[in-house]
Amino acid sequence: GALVYQYPRRTICKSGTSMRMECQAVGFQATSVAWYRQSPQKTFELIALSTVNSAIKYEQNFTQEKFPISHPNLSFSSMTVLNAYLEDRGLYLCGARDPGAHERLFFGHGTKLSVL
Amino acid sequence: AQSVTQPDARVTVSEGASLQLRCKYSYFGTPYLFWYVQYPRQGLQLLLKYYPGDPVVQGVNGFEAEFSKSNSSFHLRKASVHWSDWAVYFCAGMNYNQGKLIFGQGTKLSIKP
Repeated sequence: GALVYQYPRRTICKSGTSMRMECQAVGFQATSVAWYRQSPQKTFELIALSTVNSAIKYEQNFTQEKFPISHPNLSFSSMTVLNAYLEDRGLYLCGARDPGAHERLFFGHGTKLSVL
Repeated sequence: AQSVTQPDARVTVSEGASLQLRCKYSYFGTPYLFWYVQYPRQGLQLLLKYYPGDPVVQGVNGFEAEFSKSNSSFHLRKASVHWSDWAVYFCAGMNYNQGKLIFGQGTKLSIKP
């Protein structure tokens, strides 16, 4: 079956430092990967949509300078949160799109980021 | 702009009672619609999905949803809730060509014994 793994599951970083999170698609080829953030008590905001062989599209309020994304192949993507501060804490979710499943997004369990 | 709205931030129902969680969408063209559930301290799990076709879709754990083009709605229903349904439910919509999944604000479901 199609699965998406995200790691780490939880991470804590000091204010002003950076942390990288990874997303692995297993059992299918992820033609695109969407990164979301769920801030405490809120919904899931789309950070960016990354499609292999295309430019990464960032949503308003999110930039490549703050959230650089790498999507080198059809099974892996990573995103870094640079200079993390309190407002960056939350659950970061990776959704990988499977064209063989009606373009359905498969989600990982997320990476929970805490900032001290 | 495309949007998904869940008008009820919180819903409380008695165990065994029926449930409806509301969802409205706008500006999706031909929408692909989803309901996800987030259990405490966990990620997202897909409950059910709608692709253009039969307006009533069945999901896991006895959930179903009905798509209405005239009302721009995709309400989630369950005939009899169980305490294990205590969670936050998210409605989401996708424009097929764009591939962007947009989430509603979520509805927190609590169950009374």
